[in-house]
Amino acid sequence: GAVVSQHPSRVICKSGTSVKIECRSLDFQATTMFWYRQFPKQSLMLMATSNEGSKATYEQGVEKDKFLINHASLTLSTLTVTSAHPEDSSFYICSALGAVPHTQYFGPGTRLTVL
Amino acid sequence: GQQVMQIPQYQHVQEGEDFTTYCNSSTTLSNIQWYKQRPGGHPVFLIQLVKSGEVKKQKRLTFQFGEAKKNSSLHITATQTTDVGTYFCAGVSISGGGADGLTFGKGTHLIIQP
Repeated sequence: GAVVSQHPSRVICKSGTSVKIECRSLDFQATTMFWYRQFPKQSLMLMATSNEGSKATYEQGVEKDKFLINHASLTLSTLTVTSAHPEDSSFYICSALGAVPHTQYFGPGTRLTVL
Repeated sequence: GQQVMQIPQYQHVQEGEDFTTYCNSSTTLSNIQWYKQRPGGHPVFLIQLVKSGEVKKQKRLTFQFGEAKKNSSLHITATQTTDVGTYFCAGVSISGGGADGLTFGKGTHLIIQP
């Protein structure tokens, strides 16, 4: 089946630093990828839609200047959390839209802890 | 915006009992998907329902999509300890053309007592 990887799986950083998370579709091309955030014991919330070669579309309430998304190729999207603060600590999960209509394949997630 | 409500939030069952979680959308959906997330893990795709009134089965799991394409349910027969986890429904609005991000329900945490 379609595989999506994320790197790193865990990251701990100091407040004020920036963190980049990579999302790769390993065996298929994904023109559309999505970034979700999941706080402990809560559901996934869509942050943004990333389309290859164009600007990402952000959900209401998500700061585009804080969460920079780049989708430079058909297999890679990156999310950069700029000037991270403790309240940004969360589980960030990407997904890639697969060839099967409407099906999303999720990455394993990245646990971000900001001290 | 689109909202997806899911109940119950928590469900404790004895092993062998049945379990059902329900999902309701504030808008008509083009499709609804179900995911299972184990503690510490990521959501794993279970199934997608597209047609009005559709019913699909996967072994002990039965998925239904309502006639109005606004509600869905997941029923597990004779639960086993391996069924433990959080079950999420996630909908795609009919207005989105299928390429939209998913709107997730809050999930139902299934706890099984042996």
